[in-house]
Amino acid sequence: ETGVTQTPRHLVMGMTNKKSLKCEQHLGHNAMYWYKQSAKKPLELMFVYNFKEQTENNSVPSRFSPECPNSSHLFLHLHTLQPEDSALYLCASSQLGTGQGMGGGNQPQHFGDGTRLSIL
Amino acid sequence: GQNIDQPTEMTATEGAIVQINCTYQTSGFNGLFWYQQHAGEAPTFLSYNVLDGLEEKGRFSSFLSRSKGYSYLLLKELQMKDSASYLCAVVKVTGGGNKLTFGTGTQLKVEL
Repeated sequence: ETGVTQTPRHLVMGMTNKKSLKCEQHLGHNAMYWYKQSAKKPLELMFVYNFKEQTENNSVPSRFSPECPNSSHLFLHLHTLQPEDSALYLCASSQLGTGQGMGGGNQPQHFGDGTRLSIL
Repeated sequence: GQNIDQPTEMTATEGAIVQINCTYQTSGFNGLFWYQQHAGEAPTFLSYNVLDGLEEKGRFSSFLSRSKGYSYLLLKELQMKDSASYLCAVVKVTGGGNKLTFGTGTQLKVEL
C-alpha cells in the first residue's frame, strides 16, 4: 500500500543523536497516528492527531516529540533515546469515524511500512 | 483497562481452513478490526465488525459476539501467501478520535 509513506525505512542512531521520522499520507484523511511495535508485544499507540491537533499522548516519554504541520504530514522527533526504544515505528492515517453510536469507529487505519529504529 | 488475547502461533495446511480467535475485555467498544501483517510490511485492513454475527469477504470471514467479548477470523482455502501475523484490535471512539488497542498478533504458518 503506497497511501502512507514513511522515511527512512531504517535508522541506526546513538543515544545522544537527534533524528526525525517522517510520515506522509496521500489518502485525504484527517487523522494521523504514531505506533510503536516491539518484538513479542502488541502495537502500542503513541500519539493521535485529528485535523493536525494532538488529541492523544499515550504517556510517551518526552524524548519523543511529535509534530503535525498539516493533515498530510506527521513527524516524530527523537533525542537522547534509550536502547529499549529500538523498535519498528509505524505511522497510520484514517478518516474519523462515521455513523452514530457503536458504528462511529468504522473507518480503518491505513499504515505505512514503518521505520526500523536501532539505538546503539 | 484494555486486555486483548489471541494465540501466539498457529500452523495449518495449504487448502485447509483455519480459525484465529480473539477475546477482549475493554472499557469501551466501538468495533473490532482484523489486520494482516507480513514480515517487514505494514499491517493491512482485513475486516471490521461492530454488530454480532458473521461478515464474509471472499476467503476471509470475521465473527463477533459482543456479549462474550469474542471474535474470530476464518481463513478458507489457505494459500502459502496467507502466512503472516494476524492482528485483532478493538476501537474506542473518544473525544480525541478513534483509538485502536491491539492484541499481540497470531503468527500463522501455512505449510504444504
